Amino acid sequence: SQTIHQWPATLVQPVGSPLSLECTVEGTSNPNLYWYRQAAGRGLQLLFYSVGIGQISSEVPQNLSASRPQDRQFILSSKKLLLSDSGFYLCAWTPGAGGELFFGEGSRLTVL
Amino acid sequence: DAKTTQPPSMDCAEGRAANLPCNHSTISGNEYVYWYRQIHSQGPQYIIHGLKNNETNEMASLIITEDRKSSTLILPHATLRDTAVYYCIALPYGGSQGNLIFGKGTKLSVKP
Repeated sequence: SQTIHQWPATLVQPVGSPLSLECTVEGTSNPNLYWYRQAAGRGLQLLFYSVGIGQISSEVPQNLSASRPQDRQFILSSKKLLLSDSGFYLCAWTPGAGGELFFGEGSRLTVL
Repeated sequence: DAKTTQPPSMDCAEGRAANLPCNHSTISGNEYVYWYRQIHSQGPQYIIHGLKNNETNEMASLIITEDRKSSTLILPHATLRDTAVYYCIALPYGGSQGNLIFGKGTKLSVKP
């Protein structure tokens, strides 16, 4: 069966520090991968999606970046965090031929 | 992808049916209606999806109008654990290669 994992679960970082959130999917191949962010009390905001290795599409211009170095690995990064980067980050995947999204457990980032 | 509109919030008494509406008047012929829910501090969870026929699974029922411009998610016997934000999205099956964008959803509060 397919599973998705993301880590770390919680993170407290100072402004200006770097960020790396990692997501991996197991039990499937060539998934579509997504990074969403949810600020406190807000809806889900799509940040990046990827349909294949090295293929990244950005939905929102910001100081975040994403990479897909392997088929089932998706990384969200920042060189210098801002206070506004605080939020709940969710990784998700679809099999590429359907809309059923499978979400990870989420990573809660607090930037101080 | 067709845009959807949902009421921002709804209340439901425990044990009663919860009926959550969604308008998707610009839905195209190849787009399915998907429903997800997000319990506080967790990743969204897939509930059900359909094209034009009514659908039922162990979690809920989905009623789609004949013109497919709106749908209703029915939780037949709501419990306190069904308190969550419910998202309705319309997207093509087999063509969801890109951005899956969620709206603000409906916050359902189930009350004892």
